[in-house]
Amino acid sequence: KAGVTQTPRYLIKTRGQQVTLSCSPISGHRSVSWYQQTPGQGLQFLFEYFSETQRNKGNFPGRFSGRQFSNSRSEMNVSTLELGDSALYLCASTTDGLPLETQYFGPGTRLLVL
Amino acid sequence: AQKVTQAQTEISVVEKEDVTLDCVYETRDTTYYLFWYKQPPSGELVFLIRRNSFDEQNEISGRYSWNFQKSTSSFNFTITASQVVDSAVYFCALSGKETSGSRLTFGEGTQLTVNP
Repeated sequence: KAGVTQTPRYLIKTRGQQVTLSCSPISGHRSVSWYQQTPGQGLQFLFEYFSETQRNKGNFPGRFSGRQFSNSRSEMNVSTLELGDSALYLCASTTDGLPLETQYFGPGTRLLVL
Repeated sequence: AQKVTQAQTEISVVEKEDVTLDCVYETRDTTYYLFWYKQPPSGELVFLIRRNSFDEQNEISGRYSWNFQKSTSSFNFTITASQVVDSAVYFCALSGKETSGSRLTFGEGTQLTVNP
């Protein structure tokens, strides 16, 4: 089975712009979670989508949003980019998003905001 | 609230040495799950192991072993006869059935460098 894929792998944006990141889960997986990784804050949970619905949300401002499509692919959007949004954004998928399931991560998208 | 602490920020060893990475957790959930992930320089988090809170059996997989002790809220990871390819950042993570669902709470990570 193919693993979790994320596009693009690298992105450079300027402050004030918006960005959309994409994640394709492992085939058959219906839950997709997003995490932000920065040197200062570490790995932090953004949100989780299951069957096109946001089921869980972390403590991030409303500039961070996401959605999931009927084929389980997910996108996250960050509007009005700030310098502090520079990070590695990781996407993970599981079959049903249950706590006992292992989350499998993609390679991430490295976002640099100038 | 849940918390995972990896007190060792960086560890440097010489190849073939054994090394133990510490992980201490806090949770109010009675059912929870612990994970270890490896993050090489490429960035992808690679799953290593999952443990349920009701199963305290230690586990060995090749050169890797894990020691889960509920009494001390610890889930430590040992690499025996380390190799240069083991160099990476290792993360311990926790999910709680009652309070966090599938959301993973990660520790700060331990950067392991294995020198030849």
